[in-house]
Amino acid sequence: AQTVTQSQPEMSVQEAETVTLSCTYDTSESDYYLFWYKQPPSRQMILVIRQEAYKQQNATENRFSVNFQKAAKSFSLKISDSQLGDAAMYFCAYRRGAGGTSYGKLTFGQGTILTVHP
Amino acid sequence: DAGVTQSPTHLIKTRGQQVTLRCSPKSGHDTVSWYQQALGQGPQFIFQYYEEEERQRGNFPDRFSGHQFPNYSSELNVNALLLGDSALYLCASSPEAGWIPDTQYFGPGTRLTVL
Repeated sequence: AQTVTQSQPEMSVQEAETVTLSCTYDTSESDYYLFWYKQPPSRQMILVIRQEAYKQQNATENRFSVNFQKAAKSFSLKISDSQLGDAAMYFCAYRRGAGGTSYGKLTFGQGTILTVHP
Repeated sequence: DAGVTQSPTHLIKTRGQQVTLRCSPKSGHDTVSWYQQALGQGPQFIFQYYEEEERQRGNFPDRFSGHQFPNYSSELNVNALLLGDSALYLCASSPEAGWIPDTQYFGPGTRLTVL
């Protein structure tokens, strides 16, 4: 079974600074996807960024980027120029490939609470 | 473009009762997945529906059941409620094929409290 581990229960960062959240996963599959979701106190789970395992290039979405190390099974999220609105619980998630269909569950890590200090 | 919607927002039940939660997927999405999120934890997969059939199920007892309607909306039913069923229930939708079928988009959740 696939597992996802987030070893940092809590992280904090100063506004405008950079922070990196860690995630490791365990799988025997070669085709899979990795995601970072953000869950603010409003509870809505919001997709931050996604990475296809077959792509060597790290995904980037504005201030958010990932460091995907496939051999090490590591998938960290870097937030640059942190803003107060970035404060939330961040979840790393894994989904096995399904031949271009929507079949399959997400497996989540335990989450990291990010605090942003003004 | 309406996102994933869920109802009700909050619900309070007592042990032994039954509850039904509802979800409408994002426009263009035909696959619905349900997750249970205990306080301070990551979501746990309950089941996934496609073409009105349950096609994948997580490690949840038969007290948890669901349904998908022809318009792709879905219901989650929980019978014989236990205190441990208190959680945030999240619905996620995705397109079966086409643009980024692998990505699930979440609704705001239903907070269920069992007393």
